[in-house]
Amino acid sequence: AQKVTQAQTEISVVEKEDVTLDCVYETRDTTYYLFWYKQPPSGELVFLIRRNSFDEQNEISGRYSWNFQKSTSSFNFTITASQVVDSAVYFCALSEEYGNKLVFGAGTILRVKS
Amino acid sequence: EPEVTQTPSHQVTQMGQEVILRCVPISNHLYFYWYRQILGQKVEFLVSFYNNEISEKSEIFDDQFSVERPDGSNFTLKIRSTKLEDSAMYFCASSVRARYDYGYTFGSGTRLTVV
Repeated sequence: AQKVTQAQTEISVVEKEDVTLDCVYETRDTTYYLFWYKQPPSGELVFLIRRNSFDEQNEISGRYSWNFQKSTSSFNFTITASQVVDSAVYFCALSEEYGNKLVFGAGTILRVKS
Repeated sequence: EPEVTQTPSHQVTQMGQEVILRCVPISNHLYFYWYRQILGQKVEFLVSFYNNEISEKSEIFDDQFSVERPDGSNFTLKIRSTKLEDSAMYFCASSVRARYDYGYTFGSGTRLTVV
């Protein structure tokens, strides 16, 4: 069975601080996909990144970076120089090769204060 | 960029009433999904639909729920007799194929309030 754990319920930082959101996953499949979504106060789910299990390269996109480590089953997300607009709920999610659904973690509320 | 469109954005209904939530998936996508998010909680899978039939459903998706693709463009979720605990945000999603090589697009959601 697949499972995603986001142990950090809520994180508060001051603007310009770096912040890392943790994601640990469980799956029996050797091929799977990991996602991060942002949910701002308006409620929609904003796609941030997808990573497949064969690609362990870390990725950077502007102030966002992702660290995928199969050895620890983790897919952590770092925001560098956080901004107030980064305040949102962030969800990590997993889909398995032969499944066709996303399993979400519980989400981490990020509050960035000015 | 192609979008998944959901209507209405917000619906209020009385307990016991039937509601239909509507979605227009991306036109070349073949797989369609409904998810639910109770306020303050995580996003939960309800059902997936492919080739005009349900391909997978969760325990939440009981007999009060049904899905349909009545024409070539719409994908609907019907809740037959709403309960207070059905109040949630309902997200529709679509994908090109089940293995997610091409991503997975969510609509902006319908907030259902049962009173």
